[in-house]
Amino acid sequence: DGGITQSPKYLFRKEGQNVTLSCEQNLNHDAMYWYRQDPGQGLRLIYYSQIVNDFQKGDIAEGYSVSREKKESFPLTVTSAQKNPTAFYLCASTRQYPNTEAFFGQGTRLTVV
Amino acid sequence: KNEVEQSPQNLTAQEGEFITINCSYSVGISALHWLQQHPGGGIVSLFMLSSGKKKHGRLIATINIQEKHSSLHITASHPRDSAVYICAVSTGNQFYFGTGTSLTVIP
Repeated sequence: DGGITQSPKYLFRKEGQNVTLSCEQNLNHDAMYWYRQDPGQGLRLIYYSQIVNDFQKGDIAEGYSVSREKKESFPLTVTSAQKNPTAFYLCASTRQYPNTEAFFGQGTRLTVV
Repeated sequence: KNEVEQSPQNLTAQEGEFITINCSYSVGISALHWLQQHPGGGIVSLFMLSSGKKKHGRLIATINIQEKHSSLHITASHPRDSAVYICAVSTGNQFYFGTGTSLTVIP
């Protein structure tokens, strides 16, 4: 079955270390997205990519980096420059043609200690 | 103003009650999504709607495109339905999310 796989589900890191969250889709979707959720708050856009080798900053891109070298993969790196990295991270993907389709990953809960 | 508004923000129900969560949006959409998030857990996609109504077990989702409104209904609610329910809309090049409805079902 097609879908989005985020791994791992829970991740712990020491302060000051970079960490990369994985997002893989086998849906042949062109667009992929990363969102962040803080306790009691809604999801906010970090980065998105409409096509391979291209990506755009979202509302809260500072302290994060992404790459889109393959259509299937959109990894998110949380750098040491991110002041408050502990959060829930959600990956999503969409296709517009031939019919609209959108899928969400299960999410990764990152805790920095 | 948020592009997606959900109500109520919090909801407590007795087991067996019929539950309705509402979602209104202000942008043109490709589709509307209902997501479920258990405390400390991940996201589960419940429905994707672009028109009409969908049913899955005890869950029913409806959408009225003209009124820009969707409802999620849970029939015969159960304590395992306790979770945060999030409404999201996809517009073609991004998503907008509601802040969620926290549901607690008491045995």
